[in-house]
Amino acid sequence: DSGVTQTPKHLITATGQRVTLRCSPRSGDLSVYWYQQSLDQGLQFLIQYYNGEERAKGNILERFSAQQFPDLHSELNLSSLELGDSALYFCASSTRAGANEQFFGPGTRLTVL
Amino acid sequence: QKEVEQDPGPLSVPEGAIVSLNCTYSNSAFQYFMWYRQYSRKGPELLMYTYSSGNKEDGRFTAQVDKSSKYISLFIRDSQPSDSATYLCATDSNYQLIWGAGTKLIIKP
Repeated sequence: DSGVTQTPKHLITATGQRVTLRCSPRSGDLSVYWYQQSLDQGLQFLIQYYNGEERAKGNILERFSAQQFPDLHSELNLSSLELGDSALYFCASSTRAGANEQFFGPGTRLTVL
Repeated sequence: QKEVEQDPGPLSVPEGAIVSLNCTYSNSAFQYFMWYRQYSRKGPELLMYTYSSGNKEDGRFTAQVDKSSKYISLFIRDSQPSDSATYLCATDSNYQLIWGAGTKLIIKP
């Protein structure tokens, strides 16, 4: 158990809908990262927050947004969902702003029908 | 050219064998190197973390970095069926991890 929690574990929704994924980092970690992993694909970095502020952006679509709250939990919002958005979404956390030594949560499996 | 290259496999070896997993990278400025293990549909787990060149050992696992050839390796001794997973290498660049594609490893009993 990495100490990173993600909810929900599974999410099934329809095209055009909006969902919110939630992540709680390890105690004491200030950085949160979001990743997307499609079936049999590598990890795609989406976005990083450090202590409430956006620090780095990867291949995140405009339909996706995220934020980190004062209690350091983070939410990833996915809107106007398409079939291709079906994937595993992972959250990771680390103690510092630097990206090394990230600890991953169990992921949220999103299925868009 | 991808910044981190990794053969996706699968790599199938008998139980007890020594496994060698490898990645190459393109940017000589990369300093931190990591190996993660990912079981099917689970979150990646940090296995080894090294800085610059040299070896690091942890139990049956040894991580090796050769900066002169931009080559990183993970060796697994006395491989077990429970080691069957996808192994991802990664390096740190500008607050992001640059990931290899992952090598699927199968240990046959």
